[in-house]
Amino acid sequence: RKEVEQDPGPFNVPEGATVAFNCTYSNSASQSFFWYRQDCRKEPKLLMSVYSSGNEDGRFTAQLNRASQYISLLIRDSKLSDSATYLCVVNAAGGSYIPTFGRGTSLIVHP
Amino acid sequence: NAGVTQTPKFQVLKTGQSMTLQCAQDMNHEYMSWYRQDPGMGLRLIHYSVGAGITDQGEVPNGYNVSRSTTEDFPLRLLSAAPSQTSVYFCASSQTTTEAFFGQGTRLTVV
Repeated sequence: RKEVEQDPGPFNVPEGATVAFNCTYSNSASQSFFWYRQDCRKEPKLLMSVYSSGNEDGRFTAQLNRASQYISLLIRDSKLSDSATYLCVVNAAGGSYIPTFGRGTSLIVHP
Repeated sequence: NAGVTQTPKFQVLKTGQSMTLQCAQDMNHEYMSWYRQDPGMGLRLIHYSVGAGITDQGEVPNGYNVSRSTTEDFPLRLLSAAPSQTSVYFCASSQTTTEAFFGQGTRLTVV
């Protein structure tokens, strides 16, 4: 079982739609959680960190559920420019803090 | 403002050739890691380092070597290139609970 699991999609949504991605992780010792965005043929870049209390950044909301070991990302009022792959990332304690990546969820926003 | 510098950006090798992918960071990060990204596979960890002089294997280490003689540098060596090593390679650096910063990637083709 992969340590970080994501639905690869693609999620194909119209502009203005609300879309949600989920991610599950297997290591209960995980300490830090992030969502990254990756555009085609580019390096991943941090979208937002995920905090236990949940956090929001403009149209983006991230939630963490430690008991169920999942992370979510909600995108409201989708824009064409939101089209990308979204990567769920977990830093686990107890060995190394090297980031572990999910395979990514592809989002396509169409007019 | 360099962050993580990764070279070269593109490389074509013949089967059996060796080469070194360079990675340098100027943020004094303890953790550095190498990933490869193949279509549909997400980022898979090759090798990582939690400090100068300390390296360890990730998920897909075969055919690669690393060393970490300084905090700043973390080169990845391909010992004898094979077509299966055709991929996009990313170097990243981070601290324990912070986000990872990536180089721009190396697109490697082995013919």
